[in-house]
Formats: sequence, structure tokens, C-alpha cells
Amino acid sequence: EPEVTQTPSHQVTQMGQEVILRCVPISNHLYFYWYRQILGQKVEFLVSFYNNEISEKSEIFDDQFSVERPDGSNFTLKIRSTKLEDSAMYFCASSGTSANEQFFGPGTRLTVL
Amino acid sequence: GEDVEQSLFLSVREGDSSVINCTYTDSSSTYLYWYKQEPGAGLQLLTYIFSNMDMKQDQRLTVLLNKKDKHLSLRIADTQTGDSAIYFCAETGPGKLIFGQGTELSVKP
Repeated sequence: EPEVTQTPSHQVTQMGQEVILRCVPISNHLYFYWYRQILGQKVEFLVSFYNNEISEKSEIFDDQFSVERPDGSNFTLKIRSTKLEDSAMYFCASSGTSANEQFFGPGTRLTVL
Repeated sequence: GEDVEQSLFLSVREGDSSVINCTYTDSSSTYLYWYKQEPGAGLQLLTYIFSNMDMKQDQRLTVLLNKKDKHLSLRIADTQTGDSAIYFCAETGPGKLIFGQGTELSVKP
């Protein structure tokens, strides 16, 4: 069964450093998303991406964040200068021709020290 | 604004039915979803319901939708210890999903 994969599973970084979180969406999907879940809190939408551009973004997704689809298979989230409050589980998701049924990856746990 | 609310905890005995409730605010949501999250794992899509349906059954899972009250529920029949997890309700917003805070289901043997 096709699935969304994410690497790494856990990333530890120092405050101020740049991190890149990687995702491989399901191969025939067209819509890609990043969400995050701070420990004990709701899953929050960050950004959606379609046709090689951002289609929606939340107020969390400020200038420190960027997304890219560098090739036909990967979808990345970059945080330029990490802050302590960026510590969270980051989930990638993708959906097919319907922009609604989203399939999630296992997540990357980001810890900023 | 858009908001999804769930109770935080539910405890049941193995073999009983579990009912997890959710209220949402956006009446224009096309789909409503239930996701399951096991400890340390990602979000697994369990089931979803179109907004023009009242009920959907999928094996042990029954989803009930009351559009008038904007109330969604997930019933798990014959709950097993393997059903212990956090269950998230989600509604569709513009190009995104809006999640509730999750209900932690604890199944006691």
C-alpha cells in the first residue's frame, strides 16, 4: 500500500540553526501539506502546495519557513533559523485529485535546544 | 472562526462500545474525518463522511453526522485494547484540514 514517508524521524538542532525536513508523498498525488503538533496541543496547518506553488499558508508559516519540491518525488520544509518554540512533531501529508482526503506521514520530531 | 472541539479523555472496558464526540463550526465543510494516532506514530486516516450523509458504517466503525447541530461522532463497536490511541476529528477548511485537540481513548481489559 503506498504511503507517505518522512525523514529523519527525529532531528535535534541548536537554536538559530537551519533545518530541512524531508517528505516523499504518495507518487501520484498532486497536493502536499505540512502540519505541526506541539506536544499536547492540536495538529496545526502550516502550508499547502499545489502545481509547484504555495496555495494556502497559516499565520504560523512566516518568513522563517519555506517549502520546495526539488524533484519529482521529494517535498521539503525548511526552517531558516530555528527557535525553541519550533520544537514539535512535523507531519507531511499528500492528497490525490481530491484536495480533501489527506494521507499523513509518520512525522519528524524536531527538538530545538 | 473555524474551530473543532472534542472531549480529551474516554475510558472504556474491552468489549464495550466507545463513542467519541466532536463539534465543528464550519457548515461549508465538504468532508469530516476521523484520524487515529497511536503513541509515537503518525496520523492514520480511519474514515470520513461526506457532509450530505447522516451515517457511514465501516466494519466496527460507525460515523454519525448531525449537520444541524454540527456534531460528529465515532462509534467503535467491541472495543479492543489495540484501539487505545488518540482520535482526532477534522473538518475541511480552504485547502487544509482543521483538527480537534484529540480524544485519548483508554481501553481497560
